Parts: sequence; structure tokens; C-alpha cells
Amino acid sequence: EAQVTQNPRYLITVTGKKLTVTCSQNMNHEYMSWYRQDPGLGLRQIYYSMNVEVTDKGDVPEGYKVSRKEKRNFPLILESPSPNQTSLYFCASSFWRDTEAFFGQGTRLTVV
Amino acid sequence: EDQVTQSPEALRLQEGESSSLNCSYTVSGLRGLFWYRQDPGKGPEFLFTLYSAGEEKEKERLKATLTKKESFLHITAPKPEDSATYLCAVHVVTGTASKLTFGTGTRLQVTL
Repeated sequence: EAQVTQNPRYLITVTGKKLTVTCSQNMNHEYMSWYRQDPGLGLRQIYYSMNVEVTDKGDVPEGYKVSRKEKRNFPLILESPSPNQTSLYFCASSFWRDTEAFFGQGTRLTVV
Repeated sequence: EDQVTQSPEALRLQEGESSSLNCSYTVSGLRGLFWYRQDPGKGPEFLFTLYSAGEEKEKERLKATLTKKESFLHITAPKPEDSATYLCAVHVVTGTASKLTFGTGTRLQVTL
């Protein structure tokens, strides 16, 4: 089954404690991206990647890092999380940048 | 700055009562406009992609249209299972940057 898998689904952490949210896709897609979704602000793109070892900033990259060492995986790293990063996060992948995106189920992150 | 505005924010329809959702955009370098459906607690699910003004696409009770400034999602004779948040997104390419910008969505409720 074609899917994008994020882990964990729920995470509560403390300010400053490094964390990684994993994202994996099984569709051999070139393009992957991370979004955060906040009430009233909608989905905002954090980072995207057009291929292995090629990443670029989206609209809200501050406080986040990503890496793309393998085509299928695109982890999101928060080196020092802060409460303003409490949000619902989605990973997505698509064959190419202007084709339909498949989204993961989301990761609800709370930073206290 | 690229902007995507969706209206109305929320819409309540009775079963069978047709209506339209609007997505207006102000962007340069548009490469495609996407419609997604999002159910509570889930990731967005792809509905349509429109690439050029005048293009139309249909799927069951939904029809999407595109002009140079806006897109409409027409819902004909909706059913309760059409209740969801409908998201519009524009794909913009500027130089080497490739970004997807979402609107804040229209929350649709269809009642019996």
C-alpha cells in the first residue's frame, strides 16, 4: 500500500530537549516536504527536498533542521524545541514538485 | 508576497444544497493549484490539480475550476460524508525555489 509514515503520532517533550520526527515513503517519490498546521494559520511549509542531499527552506524554517540521506526518508529535527513549536506536523511526498502530494497521518507535538 | 485566501471560512449546507467554495490567489510564477480534503485528525487527501486558466476537473459531486485569479470548488447535491475541511494550495516556482502555499481552508458541514 502506497503510504507516508510518520513517527511518533504524539509527542510531549520539554523545552530544549532535542527530538526527531521520522518520515518515510514507499512510493519512490523525488519530492518530500514538512509542514506545520496551526489554527487560523493553515499549513505552512517548513522545509522541502527535491532529491537526495538536496533540501531547501520553506516559509517557516527557523528552529528546524532536515536531512535527506536516502530517497525514502526525510526526518525533521528540532535541536532545541521551544513552546512556540507546539503544533501539528505533516510530512508529504510527491513524484515531483508540481504533482499531487501524499500526506502522512500527522505528528502532534507539545513542547512544555 | 504570495497569498492564498479561501472563503468562506465555514459553510453549513443541508444535504442536496449545492454551493461553491472560493480560493483566490496573488502569486507570481504559479505552476499549479491544488485542492485537498482534510478530515479531523488526518492528513490532507488530494482531490484535484489545475494548471492553467480555463481548466476544469470533476470527481463525483465535486468540480474544480480555475481562472487567472481564483479557483472554485463546486459541490453539487452534497451528502453528509462530504463534511470536511477543504484546502486550496498553490505551487510557485521562483528561481530554484519551489514552494507550496496553502490557504487556511473552508470548513464544510453537510447536515441531513
